[in-house]
Amino acid sequence: DQQVKQNSPSLSVQEGRISILNCDYTNSMFDYFLWYKKYPAEGPTFLISISSIKDKNEDGRFTVFLNKSAKHLSLHIVPSQPGDSAVYFCAASEGNTPLVFGKGTRLSVIA
Amino acid sequence: KAGVTQTPRYLIKTRGQQVTLSCSPISGHRSVSWYQQTPGQGLQFLFEYFSETQRNKGNFPGRFSGRQFSNSRSEMNVSTLELGDSALYLCASRSLPSGRGYEQYFGPGTRLTVT
Repeated sequence: DQQVKQNSPSLSVQEGRISILNCDYTNSMFDYFLWYKKYPAEGPTFLISISSIKDKNEDGRFTVFLNKSAKHLSLHIVPSQPGDSAVYFCAASEGNTPLVFGKGTRLSVIA
Repeated sequence: KAGVTQTPRYLIKTRGQQVTLSCSPISGHRSVSWYQQTPGQGLQFLFEYFSETQRNKGNFPGRFSGRQFSNSRSEMNVSTLELGDSALYLCASRSLPSGRGYEQYFGPGTRLTVT
């Protein structure tokens, strides 16, 4: 049973527009959420995180929104740049348990 | 600071063989986690070691095992390889065990192909 779901395997966005990547989770005990970005032949790199006590966290062009009632989080990238083209993974954890990752969404930013 | 390093980067093995993968964490990091990434499956947690002790284990068969040494370097072993074990194996380190606020830093991974 998949606890963290990224239902869109891929997403294409024009350069300069907003990219919105979505993630749903089923475990209401998750209290910490993260987004990672992965380029081919490299390991995932940490992007941004949010605690369950917040509903928004912003870092430059990246903003993560958390809707606990809907068990949904999203990553907004504004403006999107060609260098943002990568696979994005959503991850969640409950207390001291290991991170649970989604299957990823491949973002393509078209110039 | 040097990042997480994994060796080898690429490996081809035959069904039934065994394989050992190595991971050197960031200096000062004592927690090492291993993940398997396959197409369409995302990152699946294998196990986590902290101070030479296994703290958490994912839902993988006993053919998958690991260990951590006193210098925090970790090895992962897969015995009796199956075709389905072909994957990218990622190692991640953090300064403290699993817990919020301590992000993991990933290595580049070892691409294992089983033929």
